[in-house]
Amino acid sequence: GQNIDQPTEMTATEGAIVQINCTYQTSGFNGLFWYQQHAGEAPTFLSYNVLDGLEEKGRFSSFLSRSKGYSYLLLKELQMKDSASYLCAVLDSNYQLIWGAGTKLIIKP
Amino acid sequence: DGGITQSPKYLFRKEGQNVTLSCEQNLNHDAMYWYRQDPGQGLRLIYYSQIVNDFQKGDIAEGYSVSREKKESFPLTVTSAQKNPTAFYLCASSTGQGITDTQYFGPGTRLTVL
Repeated sequence: GQNIDQPTEMTATEGAIVQINCTYQTSGFNGLFWYQQHAGEAPTFLSYNVLDGLEEKGRFSSFLSRSKGYSYLLLKELQMKDSASYLCAVLDSNYQLIWGAGTKLIIKP
Repeated sequence: DGGITQSPKYLFRKEGQNVTLSCEQNLNHDAMYWYRQDPGQGLRLIYYSQIVNDFQKGDIAEGYSVSREKKESFPLTVTSAQKNPTAFYLCASSTGQGITDTQYFGPGTRLTVL
């Protein structure tokens, strides 16, 4: 079966750095997406990785290792508004998105 | 402003009633999707449509129906056959072209069946 694993919840301090991991086992791989979702709202697109390595976009970076079936989202200089759930999703060989359950990130002052 | 709208944001229905959730987009996207989100679970695909007048079942289509008569609109009907319809429903759209086809989401409708 296909599976995406993320930690259920993480806590970090304002101004700090946090890394949210995602591991996947899917039938094929055509890229990995990260989305941010505030409570009760729509997911919003953060990043897409299809090649190994680190993609940096402002305070957020996303890393992919296809051989390890592993990705992480790195958030720097954390702000209170970063409190949200972070969803990892993999595009499988049929170009269907397989979604993880999401990681709820709690930022403390 | 271009975007995806879903209405209403909150919806209450009695058990046994059908209910239709609206999804409209003005992004000129070909592909549209319906997902269901339950606490502690990933998004699950209900139906998707890659072109007008065509749609495909997703992983959990039982108890749901859709139509795609216009490019801009992809309404979802939750029928009385759906055993556990209370959930947060998200509509998304994408260009439908290319491998890196990012999906953009509407604000969602929270359906509660009493």
